[in-house]
Amino acid sequence: EPEVTQTPSHQVTQMGQEVILRCVPISNHLYFYWYRQILGQKVEFLVSFYNNEISEKSEIFDDQFSVERPDGSNFTLKIRSTKLEDSAMYFCASSLGGLIQETQYFGPGTRLLVL
Amino acid sequence: AQSVTQLDSHVSVSEGTPVLLRCNYSSSYSPSLFWYVQHPNKGLQLLLKYTSAATLVKGINGFEAEFKKSETSFHLTKPSAHMSDAAEYFCVVSDRAGGTSYGKLTFGQGTILTVHP
Repeated sequence: EPEVTQTPSHQVTQMGQEVILRCVPISNHLYFYWYRQILGQKVEFLVSFYNNEISEKSEIFDDQFSVERPDGSNFTLKIRSTKLEDSAMYFCASSLGGLIQETQYFGPGTRLLVL
Repeated sequence: AQSVTQLDSHVSVSEGTPVLLRCNYSSSYSPSLFWYVQHPNKGLQLLLKYTSAATLVKGINGFEAEFKKSETSFHLTKPSAHMSDAAEYFCVVSDRAGGTSYGKLTFGQGTILTVHP
């Protein structure tokens, strides 16, 4: 069964450093998403991406964040200058369509720790 | 704005007894509702979803949920718990706000299910 994969599973970085989190969505899916979960808090929507552009983003997704689909298979989340409060589990998801009833398929997550 | 409240942060049951995980939602429009499960070190896996068809939805591994619009609830049940059901469960709502919020999921805070032998 096809699944969403994410690398790395864990990343430790120093405050102010750039990090890139990588995801490989399911191959025939067209919509891609990033969510995050700060320890002890709810899973939160960050951004959705379709047709090589952002379709929606939350207020969390400020200028420090960017997303890209560089090669037709990977979908990346870049944090330019990490802050302590960026420490969280980051989940990538993909769906075939973008409507509200579409199932989003999630990867196992990348746990980011900013020191 | 949409929101989801899972009424229990932890639920503990004995193997073979029924499971009830409670979820209430609020939504401006007709939502789609989902239950996801997360086992340790695994991704979020879809258990079942409601998309305005039948109000009683059957999912994988014997789980089901009933959409009750009058109560704004979408509780998850299973008649008989198995040890392998121990995991964290998330109630999730997806709806459209003003025609713009395609596919944005809003999560509840999660319920950790413990199953005792």
